[in-house]
Amino acid sequence: QLVLTQSPSASASLGASVKLTCALSSGHSSYGIAWHQQKPEKGPRFLMKVNGDGSHSKEDGIPDRFSGSSSGAERYLTISSLQSEDEGDYYCQTWGTGIWVFGGGTRLTVL
Amino acid sequence: QVQLVESGGGLVKPGGSLRLSCAASGFTFSDYYMTWIRQAPGKGLEWISHINIRGMTIYYADSVKGRFTISRDNAKNSLYLQMSGLRADDTAVYYCATETPGEGAFDHWGQGTLVTVSS
Repeated sequence: QLVLTQSPSASASLGASVKLTCALSSGHSSYGIAWHQQKPEKGPRFLMKVNGDGSHSKEDGIPDRFSGSSSGAERYLTISSLQSEDEGDYYCQTWGTGIWVFGGGTRLTVL
Repeated sequence: QVQLVESGGGLVKPGGSLRLSCAASGFTFSDYYMTWIRQAPGKGLEWISHINIRGMTIYYADSVKGRFTISRDNAKNSLYLQMSGLRADDTAVYYCATETPGEGAFDHWGQGTLVTVSS
C-alpha cells in the first residue's frame, strides 16, 4: 500500500534552516513526490517535485531558499534562512496508477 | 496567470446532492489532467478524483466511489464534481487542481469551496 509518512510538527528559529522529511512506504522507495505549502485559510501551493534520484524541479517563483533532496525511501524539503512567512503546513504527495496520496502534513513553526 | 476558481459549495442535508464547479483561466485547460482534492476541517489533504484530458480515464478514491462523479467541459474551461448521497464526513473544503500529463504532481490549486453536510 502506497503511504507517505510525515512528522506532525517541526520548528526552527528565524534565519535558521529546517529539513522536513517524507517517508515512502516499503516497496515504493523509487517513487517521486511533490511538496506543497499551505498557509492558514489558503489553498495549497505547489513548491517542487523531488525524484527518486534526488533531483528536484521547482515551480516558478519559489525562492532558492527551498530545495529538495532524497535518500533511500525518504524525500526531504530543506528551507534555509527561515522567514516568518514560511510558517504553515507542508504536505508531500505521491502517485501511482489510479491513485494519488498525501502525507499527513508537517506544521512548521518559525520561532 | 493560472487561475482556478471553485464554486457551488454550501450547506446540504445528509443524503443530499451538490454540484461543484471549477473555472479555469490563464492556461490551456485542455492540456492538463484535472483533480479534486478535499480537506476536512482541521485535517489533512485527501485526493478524491482524477480525470484525464478527454475525460476517458477517471479514477475515484474508495471514500467517494459510487457517490461522486467527475466531469469536464474543455470548451467551457470547466471541471465539475457531482456529489450525491452526501454524508457528514464529506464536510470539507474542496479544491480543484491541475496535473501536467504524466507528471503526477498537482501543480496549480484553486482556493477551495466549503461543503457542509449537516441536518
